[in-house]
This record gives sequence, C-alpha cells and structure tokens, in this order.
Amino acid sequence: NAGVTQTPKFRVLKTGQSMTLLCAQDMNHEYMYWYRQDPGMGLRLIHYSVGEGTTAKGEVPDGYNVSRLKKQNFLLGLESAAPSQTSVYFCASSYEGTGRLLNNEQFFGPGTRLTVL
Amino acid sequence: AQSVTQLDSQVPVFEEAPVELRCNYSSSVSVYLFWYVQYPNQGLQLLLKYLSGSTLVKGINGFEAEFNKSQTSFHLRKPSVHISDTAEYFCAVSKYNFNKFYFGSGTKLNVKP
Repeated sequence: NAGVTQTPKFRVLKTGQSMTLLCAQDMNHEYMYWYRQDPGMGLRLIHYSVGEGTTAKGEVPDGYNVSRLKKQNFLLGLESAAPSQTSVYFCASSYEGTGRLLNNEQFFGPGTRLTVL
Repeated sequence: AQSVTQLDSQVPVFEEAPVELRCNYSSSVSVYLFWYVQYPNQGLQLLLKYLSGSTLVKGINGFEAEFNKSQTSFHLRKPSVHISDTAEYFCAVSKYNFNKFYFGSGTKLNVKP
C-alpha cells in the first residue's frame, strides 16, 4: 500500500495564479482532510470530507475549494493564489466509524510545500 | 469548542536524559487524544493515542503519555532520549463520535549529544 500520496511535492506560484493539489489514498478510507501547517501555528484544518461527493469547511477555508468526486481522491484548489497561502499543505485520511470503538487515527501524506510570490 | 495548548515551543535536552512534553486541552465533552511526531521534511506519524481504558498509554520508540482527566492534560514522556528523537511533536484532540482533529502548535524537541 502506498498509503496517502500528494502531488506535487513543491510548487512556486505567482500571485493570482491557480493550481490544484491532489491527494490520493489506497486504504479505502471514508474521511479525508486538508490541513495547512505554518510555523508556530500547528496544523489548521482547511476542508474535509466524510465521504465521496461530500465536503465541509474547516477552520480556515477562505481562498480554497475542494472536491471529492472519487472516494480515493481529495483535491484542493486555489483559484487565485495569495502570498498568505504560502505554507506546507498536508492531506490526511481516516476510517469511518463512531463511538468508543472508532479508530480515528489520521494517516498523513508527505506534504506539499507551496510558495506564492 | 476544543483547543489544544502546547506551552513549550522548543525543548532542548541532552541525549539519554528524560523528557516531558506538555499538552493541555479544553473540552466540555469526552475526547480522544493523540501525539504525532514530524521528522524534518516529512509528514506526521502517529506516536500513541488514548481512546479509553488505562490512562497510561505506551507508544512507539519508547514514548508514553498519561491522560489526566481532572487536569485535562496528556503529557508525553520518554525516560531516555536519543539523537534520533529530534523532531517536532504535536498533540491532537478529537471529539468523541466525531472525526475532526484539533492540533496544538507543536513542540520542537532538540536532542543534543
């Protein structure tokens, strides 16, 4: 199993350009997440999905859009990049389940380092 | 709302010394607790988790953590650190019956020879 993969690994954009980050998982997980990591701020949730065809906003959704057309893929889009979106982006996935027996460990991808000039 | 506080942004320690990384959380409901480790230029890897049962949880690489409900803490400890433990450590909380994580700001552990 490859686990969670992210493409690309690095990207430099100019202000106003658009791009899409791709996350793929081969563990048949229902839940997928996009985070951004900034120094001293830990990881902040951008958007997440609880199943194919569903998406929901996290803590910092402004300036981003997402889509989950296939269960294994979760795309993060930046329509008009801004320097404030310079960050490291992590995708994660986890099992479906509820209650105390839920194993809701999240499995993370290796990250995408994005710089917006 | 949940929040997670890691008071120490950096912890320097000598090799073979013990270390404790602190994590406090605030929540009005039952939670699950996690510690993740991030090595340089890598993603996050699960160290250990508390879901229920014994409050002392053992994880990988000799780490352990104790859940203290009255103090709302989940401190990470290791009795003797190695150079290879140099990394950033994140505490995370998720609410019972809901799969959404809240991360602390991280603690950089720097193990010196």
